[in-house]
Amino acid sequence: KAGVTQTPRYLIKTRGQQVTLSCSPISGHRSVSWYQQTPGQGLQFLFEYFSETQRNKGNFPGRFSGRQFSNSRSEMNVSTLELGDSALYLCASSALQGASYEQYFGPGTRLTVT
Amino acid sequence: QQQVKQSPQSLIVQKGGIPIINCAYENTAFDYFPWYQQFPGKGPALLIAIRPDVSEKKEGRFTISFNKSAKQFSLHIMDSQPGDSATYFCAASMGSNYQLIWGAGTKLIIKP
Repeated sequence: KAGVTQTPRYLIKTRGQQVTLSCSPISGHRSVSWYQQTPGQGLQFLFEYFSETQRNKGNFPGRFSGRQFSNSRSEMNVSTLELGDSALYLCASSALQGASYEQYFGPGTRLTVT
Repeated sequence: QQQVKQSPQSLIVQKGGIPIINCAYENTAFDYFPWYQQFPGKGPALLIAIRPDVSEKKEGRFTISFNKSAKQFSLHIMDSQPGDSATYFCAASMGSNYQLIWGAGTKLIIKP
């Protein structure tokens, strides 16, 4: 099976602009989670979608939003970009393995805000 | 109670040594404990995972030790190699809850 793919891999934006990142999960996986990772920081949970519905959301401002399509592909959008939004944005797709979900990550999108 | 505390923050080990990374949790409802390995500029990769019904699990040179009574689990890397230099994250989840609770990560350097 192909892994999780994320596009674009690198992105440079200016403060105040908006950006849309895309994630294609592993075939058959219906859950997609998004994380923000800044240098030296852990993984900060943004939100998770399952069958086009947002099931949970992390502690991020409303400028961060997402959606999932019927084919399980997901997008996240950040509006009114700030310098602090510069980070690696990771997408993970999940499937139930036994009694627990196993998450598999994509390579990430490196966003730089100038 | 939802936290997973990981230590140390960074670790330097000589090649061939056995680095040990520890994680502790409070929520006894957690029943799935994975470890992830992340190289710079890459996404984390699932390395090995354990459930509380076993005390140890080995996959290749990687071993998870689990102590249910102490609510701790640890990752051991046998015969460590410079290629093992990466950041390692522990995590935990409960039941069929999709959301993983993450440790803060350990930056591991294996010196040649």
